[in-house]
Amino acid sequence: DAGVIQSPRHEVTEMGQEVTLRCKPISGHDYLFWYRQTMMRGLELLIYFNNNVPIDDSGMPEDRFSAKMPNASFSTLKIQPSEPRDSAVYFCASSLSGPGAKNIQYFGAGTRLSVL
Amino acid sequence: SQKIEQNSEALNIQEGKTATLTCNYTNYSPAYLQWYRQDPGRGPVFLLLIRENEKEKRKERLKVTFDTTLKQSLFHITASQPADSATYLCALDRAAGNKLTFGGGTRVLVKP
Repeated sequence: DAGVIQSPRHEVTEMGQEVTLRCKPISGHDYLFWYRQTMMRGLELLIYFNNNVPIDDSGMPEDRFSAKMPNASFSTLKIQPSEPRDSAVYFCASSLSGPGAKNIQYFGAGTRLSVL
Repeated sequence: SQKIEQNSEALNIQEGKTATLTCNYTNYSPAYLQWYRQDPGRGPVFLLLIRENEKEKRKERLKVTFDTTLKQSLFHITASQPADSATYLCALDRAAGNKLTFGGGTRVLVKP
């Protein structure tokens, strides 16, 4: 398997624009997580899905952020409108549950977002 | 409130020595504690997992201890090498659900 795939790797946009980040989890994994990483706040969980259903979105900073998982192989994180303080690295991760599973999360390479 | 603390100061160490990193937590009852490695420009990569009823776990040159009384985990890199230079993150989870909470990470720099 190619691992968790995120796109784009880098995104530069202007304040007020809509930004969409994409993630393809590892095939067969039933959990998908979106994180944001900054120097100040570290790695923060934004939202996670189980079997394509959002389970906990308490980490989503505000209504400008939304996430979807229309099927088991694709998820998006959208920011509309974007603001400079949204600049960060956004990671997607996936994991497998079930007997013997250890909740090990596999991360993508991340999307570095810069909002000017 | 729940808190996970790792030493935010970078750890500079000479090649061949043992690096020891600390992860402390409060207001938590984790079922597992995990350690991840993160290199610049990359996502975290899983290294080791230790359960609440385990005292110690080893993998090659890595050793993790877990003391639920002290609410602390220690992560050791023995015979450190420059290739071990990275940021190391601890993460806690619970028996129910797959959510992890990460510490802020400690950067390790191994000098030749």
